[in-house]
This record gives sequence, structure tokens and C-alpha cells, in this order.
Amino acid sequence: DAGITQSPRHKVTETGTPVTLRCHQTENHRYMYWYRQDPGHGLRLIHYSYGVKDTDKGEVSDGYSVSRSKTEDFLLTLESATSSQTSVYFCAISALGGGYEQFFGPGTRLTVL
Amino acid sequence: EDKVVQSPLSLVVHEGDTVTLNCSYEVTNFRSLLWYKQEKKAPTFLFMLTSSGIEKKSGRLSSILDKKELSSILNITATQTGDSAIYLCAHPRDSNYQLIWGAGTKLIIKP
Repeated sequence: DAGITQSPRHKVTETGTPVTLRCHQTENHRYMYWYRQDPGHGLRLIHYSYGVKDTDKGEVSDGYSVSRSKTEDFLLTLESATSSQTSVYFCAISALGGGYEQFFGPGTRLTVL
Repeated sequence: EDKVVQSPLSLVVHEGDTVTLNCSYEVTNFRSLLWYKQEKKAPTFLFMLTSSGIEKKSGRLSSILDKKELSSILNITATQTGDSAIYLCAHPRDSNYQLIWGAGTKLIIKP
């Protein structure tokens, strides 16, 4: 298995509070991604990173920000959580020069009350 | 706009049956076609297909690409309850290594 961990694995928070999810990889892969997965919507890309300090928006980036200060860490922040952000969040990584395959972390289940 | 479409969206079969899942794509510049399996956790990578007509195989699972038909199939023979999962296919979007995901096929294997 690719060395990807996510923390926390489960979180319950209240509307309006900030939340940060962490993705950590030990594979030294260049690309990192944050997805959310909801019933009926499949996997949707929130933000991705193509190198340290290089990030870009995905299809559902509103209400989320990211940072990548080191190759191994990619942080997803919900500045002010809303109930619509209740979801399962997956981090994924991909190697430059690979075949585009992405490898996923175990996921974080976030509940916003 | 590039897209990936999977069919059927859901499928229920009995243990021992053979199933065929479909993935069709409409893309500007074909790169590869990827298959994933997702049980009650994160998606796990199954196959990557780049050449038409060449079958990739892993145990009871196999997949083949047909570039003429712009599609791929995933076959599972002698299904087991452990094959119950959502099967996803994807195509690379652009040079920043994003993937366009299909909606998935939810496969349920009844004992």
C-alpha cells in the first residue's frame, strides 16, 4: 500500500468552526489531491497540488483552502464549516512520470452539526 | 468537455455469476483508462489500460480497452460476495495529472 495517512480519521464539529484535515505521504510523490465523496455525487476534486507551494482549485473548491509547505504534507482547511461540508474526504497522491494512477489515503469522515 | 460514463449504475447478481461492467469515454486526447474498486473505504487501484485489445488480468478480474469503441470493460468471473463494491473508471484530464471520474457501478453479489 502507498504510504498515505490522513488525520483525523473521524471528526464531528459545529457549524462556523474552522477545521483542518491533514494528508501525509511517505512516497515523495509530486502530486497530491483532496476529494470529497458524497452519495449520488461520486468523487469530486476540491483542490490539488503539483509541487510544494503550487496548488490549484478543483471543481468544488468554494469554502475550502489548501496549503503544501512540504512535499509530504497537504492540508485542507474549512475556514468556517457548514453542514453542506459533511462528507468523506479522501487524499490521493500521484507520481510524476507515472501512468496517472492515483493512490488514496484511508479517508476522513467529517460531520458538521 | 471530456467525460467518462459507466454502465450500469448498479447491478445485483448471485455468487458464481460472471459480470461485465462498462466504461465509455469521450476525451480530446486519450492517455489511459484506469479502473478502481471501492469497498467501504478508499478506492484501490486495479488496472491501467493504454493499448487497445490487450487484456489486463488479476485473478478473476480482467479488463480490456477498445479504442475504436471508446470504451473499456471490466469482467469478473465466478463472483464472490467479497466482490461487492463500487467499481470506478477514470481518464486523465490534463497534464496536471487530474482524473475525470465516472459515477461508478455499484455491484452487489448475493450469496
